[in-house]
Amino acid sequence: RKEVEQDPGPFNVPEGATVAFNCTYSNSASQSFFWYRQDCRKEPKLLMSVYSSGNEDGRFTAQLNRASQYISLLIRDSKLSDSATYLCVAHLGSAGKSTFGDGTTLTVKP
Amino acid sequence: NAGVTQTPKFQVLKTGQSMTLQCAQDMNHNSMYWYRQDPGMGLRLIYYSASEGTTDKGEVPNGYNVSRLNKREFSLRLESAAPSQTSVYFCASSPVGVGYNEQFFGPGTRLTVL
Repeated sequence: RKEVEQDPGPFNVPEGATVAFNCTYSNSASQSFFWYRQDCRKEPKLLMSVYSSGNEDGRFTAQLNRASQYISLLIRDSKLSDSATYLCVAHLGSAGKSTFGDGTTLTVKP
Repeated sequence: NAGVTQTPKFQVLKTGQSMTLQCAQDMNHNSMYWYRQDPGMGLRLIYYSASEGTTDKGEVPNGYNVSRLNKREFSLRLESAAPSQTSVYFCASSPVGVGYNEQFFGPGTRLTVL
């Protein structure tokens, strides 16, 4: 079993749709969690950190459930520019290692 | 402010050749990382360095060596390249401390081993 597992996708949605991605992690010692966005053949970039209380940044909402070891990302009012691969990350320790999921690909169509 | 830079951007090697991938950051970060990404997959950690003078193995260290030359630079060496090492290699850096673990990535090195 992988340490971080994501919905396999791909997700193909029309503009304006709401889409949700799920992620589970197996190492209960993981301390911090993130969603990264990766455009085709480019480097990953941080989309948002994920907190137990949930956090929102514009059209994006992230949630963490430590009891279930589950992370989610909700995108509302999808834009064409949201088309990318979204990577879920669990980080262990203050200067330790991060484990990435394999990513979920989103394509937003006109 | 260049962030994280990597050289070279592209490289083709023959099986058995050696090479060093260079990475440098100008953000005064303590931690640095090397990942590889194969097609359709997420990033897998090869080695990381929590601070200058320390290095630790990640998930897939076999066939690689690293050197944390100073706080800015973290190099990855392939001593005898194999076709299975064909991949995109990303270097990243991050500040130290819980809650400050965002990683900043370089543009990647695309390596093909024939």
